[in-house]
Order: sequence, then structure tokens, then C-alpha cells
Amino acid sequence: GNSVTQMEGPVTLSEEAFLTINCTYTATGYPSLFWYVQYPGEGLQLLLKATKADDKGSNKGFEATYRKETTSFHLEKGSVQVSDSAVYFCALRGSGNTGKLIFGQGTTLQVKP
Amino acid sequence: GAVVSQHPSWVICKSGTSVKIECRSLDFQATTMFWYRQFPKQSLMLMATSNEGSKATYEQGVEKDKFLINHASLTLSTLTVTSAHPEDSSFYICSARMVDSLTRGYSNQPQHFGDGTRLSIL
Repeated sequence: GNSVTQMEGPVTLSEEAFLTINCTYTATGYPSLFWYVQYPGEGLQLLLKATKADDKGSNKGFEATYRKETTSFHLEKGSVQVSDSAVYFCALRGSGNTGKLIFGQGTTLQVKP
Repeated sequence: GAVVSQHPSWVICKSGTSVKIECRSLDFQATTMFWYRQFPKQSLMLMATSNEGSKATYEQGVEKDKFLINHASLTLSTLTVTSAHPEDSSFYICSARMVDSLTRGYSNQPQHFGDGTRLSIL
């Protein structure tokens, strides 16, 4: 079945450092891929998405490229801020029409001033 | 943008009581809503898919009689945790998906999440 694997956290960085959070997936067909962010005590917010191979999603300085050849959707940001501290979830939606999202286990990012 | 409201945000109750959680799509119609459960420092586990006007579809291992889902209108789904016990304490999150106005399908519509409900059973 479909699955998503993220790198384990926590990831601790200094402000203005470069961020990479790895995400790989297993799926049949042509899934859509998402990154969601969860701030403490809150629900999830969509950060970015990509719906087909080679698409690049970007938002708020974050970006991720849908790589079908490596089944990856790594999240990157060139210069993180303290306000980026949160839990980041990579998610996959299968090519069927059920709309179900399969989430990775989440990666906690801590950015220190 | 699309907004999903979840209520209450926090509830504490005694063991044996039933708790109802509401999920509303505020500015769009959502024929499908999803209910997730999240344990501390863990990922979201899909519990069920709520379909307007029909029975919910539960994931394997989720008790239908324990977690009652009603989706009576295009903007409201409710999750009722019946006879709640301490092991039901968790963070429950709903999401809703917009219908694409042109295709009437879901192909490119993301899910929009509520802020979650923290349920604590004493």
C-alpha cells in the first residue's frame, strides 16, 4: 500500500541555516504530494503541494520538488527563522478519488536564535 | 482562503460520558470530511471518511460504535466519542476538501484542516 517516510527529528538549527527535511514515498500510480506544518497546539496548515512529476511546490521560502525517479519530495528552505519552529508532515494522496491522505511520521524543527 | 472550524478546541470530561466534536467548513461546501486522531509526538491516523448524506467509511481497527460520525449537511460533520474512557484521550483533527467547481471532482483540491480538539478523559 501507499506509505510515506520522513527523516526522524528533532532537527535543530540556528537561525539563517539551510534546512532539508527528507521525505520518500511508496505509491502506485501518480500520487499528489504535500507538506503540512503544525504549530504547537494547532491543526495542520498546508505549506505546499505538487501534483505531478517534476513539479516544484513553494511557499514562504520553502520548496519541494516531486521526484518520481527517486520517489522523493524533500522540503528545503535556504534560511530558517525561529518562527519556522514547528512539526512538518509530508503527505501523499493516492491517484484514486477517495481523497485520503497518508502522512509521514512528522519531523520536529527547532530553530534557535 | 478556505477555513475549517473545529469546536470545541479543548474538552475535559469524566470517564463514561459522550463527547461531540463539530467540524464546519465556513466558506465552502465539503461533501467529504475526514477525521484524524493524533497521539502526542506522533503522526495523524485517519479514523474515518465522512460523506454528506451517507454513512461514514471507517478505517480498519476503528470502532464504528465508539466513534459515531454524522455528516448531515454540506458544511458540518460531527464526531461523537461515546462512553469515553481515558484511553480515548487524544488530539482529534478534522479536515474538509473542496469540490472543484469546474470538474466537480477532487483531483487538485487539497484538504483544509481544523485546529483540532484536545480531548482529555479523567
